Amino acid sequence: QTVVTQEPSVTVSPGGTVTLTCASNTGAVTNAHYPGWLQQKPGQAPMSLIYSINDKHSWTPARFSGSLLGGKAALTLSGVVPEDEAEYYCLIYSGGGIIFGGGTKLTVL
Amino acid sequence: QVHLVQSGGELKKPGTSVKVSCKTSGYIFSNYALSWVRQAPGQGLEWMGWIATHNGNTNYARRFQGRITMTTDTSTRTAYMELRTLTTDDTAVYFCVVVAATSFDFWGPGTLITVSP
Repeated sequence: QTVVTQEPSVTVSPGGTVTLTCASNTGAVTNAHYPGWLQQKPGQAPMSLIYSINDKHSWTPARFSGSLLGGKAALTLSGVVPEDEAEYYCLIYSGGGIIFGGGTKLTVL
Repeated sequence: QVHLVQSGGELKKPGTSVKVSCKTSGYIFSNYALSWVRQAPGQGLEWMGWIATHNGNTNYARRFQGRITMTTDTSTRTAYMELRTLTTDDTAVYFCVVVAATSFDFWGPGTLITVSP
């Protein structure tokens, strides 16, 4: 059974840069997993930010970018603003379905 | 713009079934799949499966196979997710999601299903 792991919590200062990662217990995350990233704020539905490694939606702020880094999927926020404080979930396509990571609580402090 | 309206929250007894609806608008219905994702209180996201709206083909997550059915009504652009034999572990917010090829593009507001004796 595939398990996708994210950092449980990360803290970043306003204006800083932070990278969140997404690892699979079955091996490297690759482009074949089409990794994506979602943002969820308290009481709201998730919102897709990144799909297929680094494709952005029209609504995705430019400060968000995705990549593959050392066998993991990564989400980098450059120039963090207070409104980026949220839970971030990665997802991968695996075994014909979707697996979500456990989420990273990003605190902007 | 894409708009998803989900049915209201429900309180169910263990062993019963629930059917959640998701009415869509603002895009070509048959061009996108519809997925269902749930989130237990204070927990992460769990993919339940998806349905291809152009032909009704489904793909369910293994842990739900046998007690879940996803359907669509193309005439009303509405998707449905029925979950049977509920237990208290099924208490969660259930989201419908419009899915492009590799992107979970648009999320519904969620429907809270509470399962309690």
